Amino acid sequence: DVKVTQSSRYLVKRTGEKVFLECVQDMDHENMFWYRQDPGLGLRLIYFSYDVKMKEKGDIPEGYSVSREKKERFSLILESASTNQTSMYLCASSYGTFNQPQHFGDGTRLSIL
Amino acid sequence: RKEVEQDPGPFNVPEGATVAFNCTYSNSASQSFFWYRQDCRKEPKLLMSVYSSGNEDGRFTAQLNRASQYISLLIRDSKLSDSATYLCVVRGGSQGNLIFGKGTKLSVKP
Repeated sequence: DVKVTQSSRYLVKRTGEKVFLECVQDMDHENMFWYRQDPGLGLRLIYFSYDVKMKEKGDIPEGYSVSREKKERFSLILESASTNQTSMYLCASSYGTFNQPQHFGDGTRLSIL
Repeated sequence: RKEVEQDPGPFNVPEGATVAFNCTYSNSASQSFFWYRQDCRKEPKLLMSVYSSGNEDGRFTAQLNRASQYISLLIRDSKLSDSATYLCVVRGGSQGNLIFGKGTKLSVKP
């Protein structure tokens, strides 16, 4: 079974803080993704990566950056957290081409106060 | 037209009922289709891929209609445990990523 692990289930931070969300997968998947999910808006892609040190912007990259130094780990960084970044953050991974289904971590519910 | 569109529901059905969801997509060149299930406050989980010829997995049947650009999910003999939000997923977007619908909520009542 694919295991995608996110570092925290719940996180509370303050406006202006730099926030790191970590994601690790154990299936040697090439592709990794960060989404946020908000009521009524569904899943929205923030960033994705198809290889180590490679990254691509998704639909809503503003205010975020990512890091992929190792194949199994994909980090999402909120450079200066704002209240509108309060959300559920979901990490996913997949192998091979983007035709393949994605496997999700448990999610991190982030609150910015 | 939105890239992936679903009826948000909720669909409230009794146990044992048969229920069907449709999902329409805008990109006629889309090649990959999936149904995911998401329980309240949990992550989405892959339910099944959708193949051109249609496919079945137990009580679940998925169909693809390329001409009309929709996919469907049929659930037979509904169980209480089927209560969840069902997400339609299509490969699309400018970079060929997966595009997730906003989901259809199903509630199965005793």
